[in-house]
Amino acid sequence: QVQLQESGPGLVKPSETLSLTCTVSGGSISDYYWSWIRQPPGKGLEWIGYIYYSGTTNYNPSLKSRVTISVDTSKNQFSLKLTSVTAADTAVYYCGRQDDILMFLDYWGQGTLVTVSS
Amino acid sequence: DIQMTQSPSSLSASVGDRVTITCRASQSIGSSLNWYQQKPGKAPNLLIYGISRLQSGVPSRVSGSGSGTDFTLTISSLQPEDFATYYCQQTFSTPFTFGPGTKVDIK
Repeated sequence: QVQLQESGPGLVKPSETLSLTCTVSGGSISDYYWSWIRQPPGKGLEWIGYIYYSGTTNYNPSLKSRVTISVDTSKNQFSLKLTSVTAADTAVYYCGRQDDILMFLDYWGQGTLVTVSS
Repeated sequence: DIQMTQSPSSLSASVGDRVTITCRASQSIGSSLNWYQQKPGKAPNLLIYGISRLQSGVPSRVSGSGSGTDFTLTISSLQPEDFATYYCQQTFSTPFTFGPGTKVDIK
């Protein structure tokens, strides 16, 4: 059974960089797309972007200038960096696995709340 | 970007009721329509992919239908564990977008 687990700081100061890592267990990171999704408190879901295990990325244009997603296949991990954060970036951040054909998200991490505050 | 809308935004229903949630895309999205269920404090859970394909482990009282721009999620007989928020999502083109959600609560 594939499991995903997000890790990283729960508090980030405004203008700094948010960094999260997703560790995949119970399966290989190869042959799938891996995504980050976020959900501000009490609001809906926003897709941030994905990375293929080979390193190909695709980002939401609304965040593209500030987002980098990377993968480390040797550790079965992928990571998110979001620069110049503001309070509007406060959200629960989820990592997920996307099917490589229909791109639905079939496995999700439990989510981690990141608060942007000084 | 493809915009996704859902109706209603919330509904109250009783155990045993038939519930239908509608999702509309701003342009045709082929069969790239997925449905997720989310309970408070939990990650979303995939229910339906490709308009009508039931994810493994999802009960058969849940079904999806539709085509083009208009899609429906139906729960034929609502059970206590079905009270949650439901989101549709298009994966036809990036950025992948979600509907705003439909909250189903107890009448």
